[in-house]
Amino acid sequence: KAGVTQTPRYLIKTRGQQVTLSCSPISGHRSVSWYQQTPGQGLQFLFEYFSETQRNKGNFPGRFSGRQFSNSRSEMNVSTLELGDSALYLCASSSGQANTEAFFGQGTRLTVV
Amino acid sequence: GESVGLHLPTLSVQEGDNSIINCAYSNSASDYFIWYKQESGKGPQFIIDIRSNMDKRQGQRVTVLLNKTVKHLSLQIAATQPGDSAVYFCAESRSGAGSYQLTFGKGTKLSVIP
Repeated sequence: KAGVTQTPRYLIKTRGQQVTLSCSPISGHRSVSWYQQTPGQGLQFLFEYFSETQRNKGNFPGRFSGRQFSNSRSEMNVSTLELGDSALYLCASSSGQANTEAFFGQGTRLTVV
Repeated sequence: GESVGLHLPTLSVQEGDNSIINCAYSNSASDYFIWYKQESGKGPQFIIDIRSNMDKRQGQRVTVLLNKTVKHLSLQIAATQPGDSAVYFCAESRSGAGSYQLTFGKGTKLSVIP
C-alpha cells in the first residue's frame, strides 16, 4: 500500500513569488491536512480538506490556501512569499473519521530567499 | 490558551535502558492522543495512540500512559535502541470538532548513547 506522497521534496523561491505544493494521500483516505513545521513554532495546523471541502482552517493569513480534487489529491498554495514562510510543509492523510490514525508524507522543504 | 506541551526538550539515554517522554495537555475536551516519531529529513511517523477512555496502551516496546486527572501523557520505550534516536511529538485531537485536526506539542529530542 503506497504511503503519502508529497511533491516536490525541495523548493527554493524568491520573496514575492507564489508556490504550489502537492499531496497524494493513501488510497481510500478522504481527509488531507496540511501542517507547517518550523524550528521556532513546531508543527502548526494549516487546514484540512475532506471530500473536496475545507472543513477546518488554522490561524494563517489568507496567502495560504488549498484545495482538494475528486481523487482526494490536495494542493496548497502560498502567494506573495515571505522569508518567514521558509519551512517544512507536511501533508497528513487519514480516513477523516474521529480518533483514527493520520499518516504523514515526507514533506516539502520550502526555502524563500 | 489551549495547547499541548512537553516537559523536556532533550533526553539522552543509554542503549538498553528504558526511556520516558512526557507531555502535558491543557484541553480537557481532547479525547484522542497520538505519539509520533520524526527522524531527520522525514515526516512524523505514527507510533501509538490512545483514547481518553483508556489509561494505558501497549505496543511493541512502547507503552503510552494517560492520566486525565493531571492531564499528562507519557511514552515509555523499553530497551532503547540507537534507531530510536529521533524527535518525539505528542498530539491531541477532539472528535467533536467536526474535522480532523491535530494539535502538536513542541517535541522532545531523544538521543541514544551506544
